[in-house]
Amino acid sequence: DQQVKQNSPSLSVQEGRISILNCDYTNSMFDYFLWYKKYPAEGPTFLISISSIKDKNEDGRFTVFLNKSAKHLSLHIVPSQPGDSAVYFCAASGDFGNEKLTFGTGTRLTIIP
Amino acid sequence: KAGVTQTPRYLIKTRGQQVTLSCSPISGHRSVSWYQQTPGQGLQFLFEYFSETQRNKGNFPGRFSGRQFSNSRSEMNVSTLELGDSALYLCASRGLAGSAKNIQYFGAGTRLSVL
Repeated sequence: DQQVKQNSPSLSVQEGRISILNCDYTNSMFDYFLWYKKYPAEGPTFLISISSIKDKNEDGRFTVFLNKSAKHLSLHIVPSQPGDSAVYFCAASGDFGNEKLTFGTGTRLTIIP
Repeated sequence: KAGVTQTPRYLIKTRGQQVTLSCSPISGHRSVSWYQQTPGQGLQFLFEYFSETQRNKGNFPGRFSGRQFSNSRSEMNVSTLELGDSALYLCASRGLAGSAKNIQYFGAGTRLSVL
């Protein structure tokens, strides 16, 4: 029962262009959505999050969009830089004692110089 | 502020043995969660501790257990190791107040290999 899905295992983007990573979820009880970046043999690094009461959150080059009716969120990285090459995980959590993270399977982003 | 610290970074054990992993959360964070990452199952939630009490548990067998101490440091234990327990074990901590209370910060993980 995959409650959080990232349907693109990999994505290649030219340096300087926009990277768009997508995530779908099935559980309407999720209250928060987070994006993490991960390098091999390291722990995930938090990038940006969004509450279910919002539809957009921005932090520097990173913007997350949430479409609750479609149960879909996306992460936009503009402009893409070589250091952005990593695996990106989408995660979702509930609230009030149910803050465990449910992760998607990840998307490997490769930025082409 | 120091991040989440996990020790050891690497472990090699044999089937049937037990193992204990340690995690020190970010100073001031009282919630500690553990996750397992494997190629086949991805990142999966094991359990969460707060104030020395387990408040949430994932779908893992009873061989996986944990505890939290009064200083918020946490340990997880896996008994009777199986080959399938080979994984990266990640610890995460979070504060419990304010707008960032749902953000979990991860350590570098402990890579466990079971032979």
